[in-house]
Amino acid sequence: DQQVKQNSPSLSVQEGRISILNCDYTNSMFDYFLWYKKYPAEGPTFLISISSIKDKNEDGRFTVFLNKSAKHLSLHIVPSQPGDSAVYFCAAFGVPFPGKSTFGDGTTLTVKP
Amino acid sequence: KAGVTQTPRYLIKTRGQQVTLSCSPISGHRSVSWYQQTPGQGLQFLFEYFSETQRNKGNFPGRFSGRQFSNSRSEMNVSTLELGDSALYLCASSFTTNEKLFFGSGTQLSVL
Repeated sequence: DQQVKQNSPSLSVQEGRISILNCDYTNSMFDYFLWYKKYPAEGPTFLISISSIKDKNEDGRFTVFLNKSAKHLSLHIVPSQPGDSAVYFCAAFGVPFPGKSTFGDGTTLTVKP
Repeated sequence: KAGVTQTPRYLIKTRGQQVTLSCSPISGHRSVSWYQQTPGQGLQFLFEYFSETQRNKGNFPGRFSGRQFSNSRSEMNVSTLELGDSALYLCASSFTTNEKLFFGSGTQLSVL
């Protein structure tokens, strides 16, 4: 039973437009959610996080929204840039952090110039 | 501040052998987590160590083990290697009071 799901394996957007990546989870006990970006043969790079007590967190071009009732979170990238092209993972964590973390399978974002 | 360091970067082994991977966390980080990533898959949680104790464990067989030293450096061991163990093994470290997890570049293990 996969507790964190990213239902879109890939997403393609035009440079300058908004990219929206989605993630669903099933376990309401998760306390933190993080988004990572990953290039081939490299470790994931931390992008942004959100605590379960918040519904929005913003950092520059990146905004994460959390809808606890729907068990859904999304990452918005505005404006999208070609350098944003990578695989994006959402991950859920318990307490104490990081605990027994669960990652989604990833969404490959392609930003076209 | 140096990042998370994993050694070796690449490793080639044959079935039945055993392997030890090393991870040095960011200075001051006491939590170290290990993950396996296979092609087309997300990251699968192996285990987490904190202050030399395994605090959490994922759903992997007992052939996968680890330990953490007093300086927070961690090692992961896989015994009796199988072809399916070929993967990118990632280590990550964190403060427990700061909810960010930082990854190393990983060790790419190939089992022939």
